[in-house]
Amino acid sequence: SAVISQKPSRDICQRGTSLTIQCQVDSQVTMMFWYRQQPGQSLTLIATANQGSEATYESGFVIDKFPISRPNLTFSTLTVSNMSPEDSSIYLCSVDRRGENIQYFGAGTRLSVL
Amino acid sequence: QKEVEQNSGPLSVPEGAIASLNCTYSDRGSQSFFWYRQYSGKSPELIMSIYSNGDKEDGRFTAQLNKASQYVSLLIRDSQPSDSATYLCAVFDNTDKLIFGTGTRLQVFP
Repeated sequence: SAVISQKPSRDICQRGTSLTIQCQVDSQVTMMFWYRQQPGQSLTLIATANQGSEATYESGFVIDKFPISRPNLTFSTLTVSNMSPEDSSIYLCSVDRRGENIQYFGAGTRLSVL
Repeated sequence: QKEVEQNSGPLSVPEGAIASLNCTYSDRGSQSFFWYRQYSGKSPELIMSIYSNGDKEDGRFTAQLNKASQYVSLLIRDSQPSDSATYLCAVFDNTDKLIFGTGTRLQVFP
């Protein structure tokens, strides 16, 4: 499996502010994925981040709210912009390390918005 | 809307028993199926993948796939209290998007 470092591990933020979450992988990967897990819910894909191209967003998620960067093959960031309490969730990055179509997850970022 | 359905539970089993977790999916074209375990407050951890009809065994875990009936199951033999977690079924759809079920909470009591 891949070693996936995600930070911060948790944060408490004020509404209207933004938080950038970082995801670092110990090897080069083509695709990185960002998920949201709302309290008591399952995982919902936010977007897929490929290096060198714009992220592909799923229905219900927009770039202005969740801008993503993918500057190289081992790193990605997800920003949660103009936060509201409804953004309180766990945000997870995952990677398909060997192109096997098997996703491994980072430890997640637990975000609370007051 | 492609869906993956799981009973939310909790499924309670005594220590040493077999826990049986079930999952159905709607996309008949799906070819790849996964079980993840998620402890409370932690991220999902892959425990099994299965791609062909039949059974796949790994230690105390057995995944079963029946594509004709569109279901996949996970059996945990000799269940231990440390197996208490939420088990997420995940299925790749025909656009290579991983769709997760809502998870089944398993409780193994001593």
